Parts: sequence; C-alpha cells; structure tokens
Amino acid sequence: QITLKESGPTLVKPTQTLTLTCTFSGFLLSTSGAGVGWIRQPPGKALEWLALIYWNDDKQYSPSLRSRLTITKDTSEKQVVLTVTNMDPVDTGTYYCAHKLPLAFDIWGQGTMVTVSS
Amino acid sequence: EIVLTQSPGTLSLSPGERATLSCRASQRVSSTYLAWYQQKPAQAPRLLIYGASTRATGIPDRFSGSGSATDFTLTISRLEPEDFAVYYCQHYGDSSMYTFGQGTKLEIK
Repeated sequence: QITLKESGPTLVKPTQTLTLTCTFSGFLLSTSGAGVGWIRQPPGKALEWLALIYWNDDKQYSPSLRSRLTITKDTSEKQVVLTVTNMDPVDTGTYYCAHKLPLAFDIWGQGTMVTVSS
Repeated sequence: EIVLTQSPGTLSLSPGERATLSCRASQRVSSTYLAWYQQKPAQAPRLLIYGASTRATGIPDRFSGSGSATDFTLTISRLEPEDFAVYYCQHYGDSSMYTFGQGTKLEIK
C-alpha cells in the first residue's frame, strides 16, 4: 500500500524559504519509472502543479515558478524535499505530494497547509 | 502552453441523475495524457480516470471518460450522494508540464 505524508512549517514570513518534506512508503523511488510530484492549492482555488522528481534524479518544474523551486530526493530515507524561495502571501495554500503513474498522480498525501504572513 | 477550460463552473443535479462534465484544451492534445480527479472538501484529490478513459483502481463503473483532440468529457451515469464534489481535469504536455483545469463543482440540487 502506497502512502505519502507531507510535513513542514505551517507559517512562514514573506521572503523566507519554505522547506517541505514528503515521506513515503509502499514503493521504491529507485525503481525505474517511479516519480513523486508536488502540487499546491490556494484556499478555494484550483490545483497547481509545482515540481516532479524521477527515480533517475530527472527533475521537472513549473515554468512559472522554476526559479524559486528545488526538488530533491533521499531514496534511502524515502523522502522527497521541496524548497520554495522568496515566499509571498500568494503562496499560501495546501501543499500536496503525490505518487506518479506514468501520466497522472494516483496516490496523494493528505496535504499540509502553509500560511505566508508577517 | 496548453490551457484547460472546464465547464460548467457549477453543475446542480439530483442523486440518480446523469452528470456530464467538460474539459476543453486550448490546442489539440493526446488523449493518452488526459486525467480526471475528484476532490471533496478538506480532502486530497483522488484519481478517477487516466488516459482519457481508463478508470483508476477501485473507481466505480458509473464514472467514465471520453473524448479526443481538444474536447474531453467525464460522465457519471447515476449520481450517488458521495459523488458531489469538485472535479478537475489534468493534462501532461509539452515542456514536461502538468496542467490542471479550474475545476467543476458538482452540487446537490
């Protein structure tokens, strides 16, 4: 059974860097084809894909946020980390990590709410 | 960059009725790369359909997906009370980018 869980701060100040950790079980990120993505959702708004990392360390980023995002993996610890620099109040929302099928995200974490406020 | 436009924004129906949700792409896309998700309040999204028409594991057969090119449809044949939620389409496309539509809220009439 695949599970994922996000963790990180619930409150960050503007201009700070957000670091979120996705801890997963039930699959190996070292397996060919495996991937973990990050998606966020502002309150009451639609989903927005942020980043994705593959088993071979290939990384993909949303073009609109590429300069602020970094995704890394720790295969042995079964974790994927997302950092977002220069946080702004518009970055407030729920951040999800998800297991990636070849062309969709089949299992999602419960999400973690992040508020950006001074 | 591909834009996905979902319609209607809100759909009001009664249990037992048929729901038809639309997802239109701003340019022709491969149906292989089109997925649908369901999201209930305070819950994470749940994958319903991938490859435009393949149901994900455990998804009831009252959910079906269809379409090609720029027009895709999610159909719920007979609405159950637990089907009232927000639905998103998603595409994986050029520049290795994942795009979501803005969502359709399916509410009880």
